[in-house]
Amino acid sequence: DIQMTQSPSSLSASVGDRVTITCRASQSISSYLNWYQQKPGKAPKFLIYTASSLQSGVPSRFSGSGSGTDFTLTISSLQPEDFATYYCQQSYSIPYTFGQGTQLEIK
Amino acid sequence: EVQLVESGGGLVQPGRSLRLSCAASGFTFVDYGMHWVRQAPGKGLEWVSGISWNSGTTGYADSVKGRFTISRDNAKNSLYLQMKSLRVEDTALYYCAKNIRNGFGGADAFDIWGQGTMVTVSS
Repeated sequence: DIQMTQSPSSLSASVGDRVTITCRASQSISSYLNWYQQKPGKAPKFLIYTASSLQSGVPSRFSGSGSGTDFTLTISSLQPEDFATYYCQQSYSIPYTFGQGTQLEIK
Repeated sequence: EVQLVESGGGLVQPGRSLRLSCAASGFTFVDYGMHWVRQAPGKGLEWVSGISWNSGTTGYADSVKGRFTISRDNAKNSLYLQMKSLRVEDTALYYCAKNIRNGFGGADAFDIWGQGTMVTVSS
């Protein structure tokens, strides 16, 4: 199975900050990498697919990049509603696997 | 409104069975693959199983292979997960999720999620 490792596991930031979350795959997954946002008590929300394609309706302050084994999710200017847990997920091979999550907290 | 509504969760003893259902509405169900994803209390997300639009292709996580069976009824716009030989470690909130494409296997992503149904396995 492909292991997905996110860093950091938690992050404190302020409104307006630029934030980057990293996701590393244990082997090359080309660009088959998706990102999700989850708030407490809610279902995950789909943000980005194939590493850099923004899902319809997702604010443009969110962006993704990377290929192969290293990927990043960037939020250009944090808004209050962005404080949540973020997960990466590889769709290169079955079984699909998620990163352990990055909890983004208010500083 | 695009919506997925899960049901069938509950408290069950180890070794017993349970069947989860997911009712889809607001989109053409037959056009998309579907998945189950679970989340143990306080933990991260774990993909459980997926199925293509025509049930021709299915897949499972190693942790559930041989115990869980995914199926769908396109006439009823419904997705199912039959769970057998349940273990304490299967305790989780089970989400139904829509694939972004009709197939299953490669470049899949989960663009619509239900609110989940809780399964608790305990004696």
